[in-house]
Amino acid sequence: DAGVIQSPRHEVTEMGQEVTLRCKPISGHNSLFWYRQTMMRGLELLIYFNNNVPIDDSGMPEDRFSAKMPNASFSTLKIQPSEPRDSAVYFCASSQGDRRMDEQFFGPGTRLTVL
Amino acid sequence: GENVEQHPSTLSVQEGDSAVIKCTYSDSASNYFPWYKQELGKRPQLIIDIRSNVGEKKDQRIAVTLNKTAKHFSLHITETQPEDSAVYFCAASIRGSQGNLIFGKGTKLSVKP
Repeated sequence: DAGVIQSPRHEVTEMGQEVTLRCKPISGHNSLFWYRQTMMRGLELLIYFNNNVPIDDSGMPEDRFSAKMPNASFSTLKIQPSEPRDSAVYFCASSQGDRRMDEQFFGPGTRLTVL
Repeated sequence: GENVEQHPSTLSVQEGDSAVIKCTYSDSASNYFPWYKQELGKRPQLIIDIRSNVGEKKDQRIAVTLNKTAKHFSLHITETQPEDSAVYFCAASIRGSQGNLIFGKGTKLSVKP
């Protein structure tokens, strides 16, 4: 398996533009997580899905952020409109998501810069 | 809500010395405690984990101990090497969730040759 796949790896955009980040979880994993990492705030959970259903989105900063998981192999995180304070590394992770807790596998991340 | 406290935030040791990072958690129902290592510019990767039915686990130079009564767990790295330099995160499972973890703020470990 190729592991968790994220695209793009780097994104530079201007304030006000729409940004879409993409994630493909490991095949067979039922839970998918979106994190944001900054020096100031560390690793923050934004939202997670189980069996394609959003379970907890309390970490989504505001209405400018939205996430979808239309099927078991694809998820998107969208920021519209983007702001400079959204600059961060965004990680997607997946796990088996069953009752037996297990490892979360992280993707390589998307480094977002909003000018 | 659930919380994981991690200390210290930075740690500097000489090559060959031991390093210890400590975490406390708030949810007594937590039963899974992984440790992740994140090298500069890379993704977090699991290095060791422990479940609540054991008190200690070792893997070569790294070990993790768990004290459920006190709700704390620790990472021990012996005979540190420069390549151990990274940020280390502890995490704890969240009651009733499907794989969700709460992470500590991280410890930046520097191993000086």
